[in-house]
Amino acid sequence: RKEVEQDPGPFNVPEGATVAFNCTYSNSASQSFFWYRQDCRKEPKLLMSVYSSGNEDGRFTAQLNRASQYISLLIRDSKLSDSATYLCVVNLAGGTSYGKLTFGQGTILTVHP
Amino acid sequence: ETGVTQSPTHLIKTRGQQVTLRCSSQSGHNTVSWYQQALGQGPQFIFQYYREEENGRGNFPPRFSGLQFPNYSSELNVNALELDDSALYLCASSFSGGYGYTFGSGTRLTVV
Repeated sequence: RKEVEQDPGPFNVPEGATVAFNCTYSNSASQSFFWYRQDCRKEPKLLMSVYSSGNEDGRFTAQLNRASQYISLLIRDSKLSDSATYLCVVNLAGGTSYGKLTFGQGTILTVHP
Repeated sequence: ETGVTQSPTHLIKTRGQQVTLRCSSQSGHNTVSWYQQALGQGPQFIFQYYREEENGRGNFPPRFSGLQFPNYSSELNVNALELDDSALYLCASSFSGGYGYTFGSGTRLTVV
């Protein structure tokens, strides 16, 4: 089983649509969680951290369910500029894994006019 | 404040050769991590350096090695290149391996 698994995608949605991405992680000791965005042939960039209480940043809402080891990202009112690959990322805790980011495969989102 | 810079941006090598990739960490950051991203996959953790010592390693063979220098810049060395080593190599810096990772734009390595 992969350490971080994401919806396979790709997602192809019209402008203005709401789209949700899901992710599960296998290590219950994981301490921090993120969504990164990666544009074609560019480096990943932090979109937002994910907290147990849920958090929102404009049109983006992230949720974490530690009991189910499940992370989600909701994008409302999609824009053409949201087209990218979205990476679910987990930071394992302690020891030599300190600071190691574990990435999911990524889900490709294409927003069309 | 300068970000993370990597060099070279692109590189073509022949199978069996050796390659060195370089990374300058963001100002104020003392930890550098390296990741390999194959086409269509998420980045995979190679190793991390803190205070010039390796303090974490992913599932990569010993022919992947690295260095961190007193100014916190870093090198990734790969010996005996294989075709499967073709990938985007990303460097990320942070302060003490905590949150706030900054990625460089990567080096795209092609092995032929």
